[in-house]
Amino acid sequence: ETGVTQSPTHLIKTRGQQVTLRCSSQSGHNTVSWYQQALGQGPQFIFQYYREEENGRGNFPPRFSGLQFPNYSSELNVNALELDDSALYLCASSFATGNEQFFGPGTRLTVL
Amino acid sequence: QKEVEQDPGPLSVPEGAIVSLNCTYSNSAFQYFMWYRQYSRKGPELLMYTYSSGNKEDGRFTAQVDKSSKYISLFIRDSQPSDSATYLCAMSVYNNNDMRFGAGTRLTVKP
Repeated sequence: ETGVTQSPTHLIKTRGQQVTLRCSSQSGHNTVSWYQQALGQGPQFIFQYYREEENGRGNFPPRFSGLQFPNYSSELNVNALELDDSALYLCASSFATGNEQFFGPGTRLTVL
Repeated sequence: QKEVEQDPGPLSVPEGAIVSLNCTYSNSAFQYFMWYRQYSRKGPELLMYTYSSGNKEDGRFTAQVDKSSKYISLFIRDSQPSDSATYLCAMSVYNNNDMRFGAGTRLTVKP
């Protein structure tokens, strides 16, 4: 059984650019949640997708958007990057909402 | 005031010590309480999960929730060097949705 995988591992972008981060959920999982973890902080909930529909959103601006595909993999898109967007972006998958979330290793985004 | 407060440490203890980690929170609507362990360059992994108030034990780990005081704790008995990691408390109103995390406590267990 393959766990949650994320790509790329690291990414460097400049302010104003756009970025797409990818997540493959664990086999059998249909729910994906995204989190932003700034250095020295706990993860902050961005949004959750369940069966390709957004199922809850945290306090993030609309330039943070997402998609979930029929195979339940997911993308996080961030437009107009700001320096404060530099963080570890974590994806977590679960079997339906309300169940234990399994986290991937994260994508480290640096915005210069 | 943050919604979830957690002392970031760092905390350093000798092998075999009992470790106590704590979080306080302000939102009385939280019903689900979790503790995650995060090793360097890894995603968090769930250690303990508790619904509402009470105690839960799993091996060397005990989680306590006191909703009246808005205070949760994680105890680690007979701590091992492999327990060295950052411990994150998390809580939510709805089960496993919109979890609010503490900042994490960095623990080092010295041999």
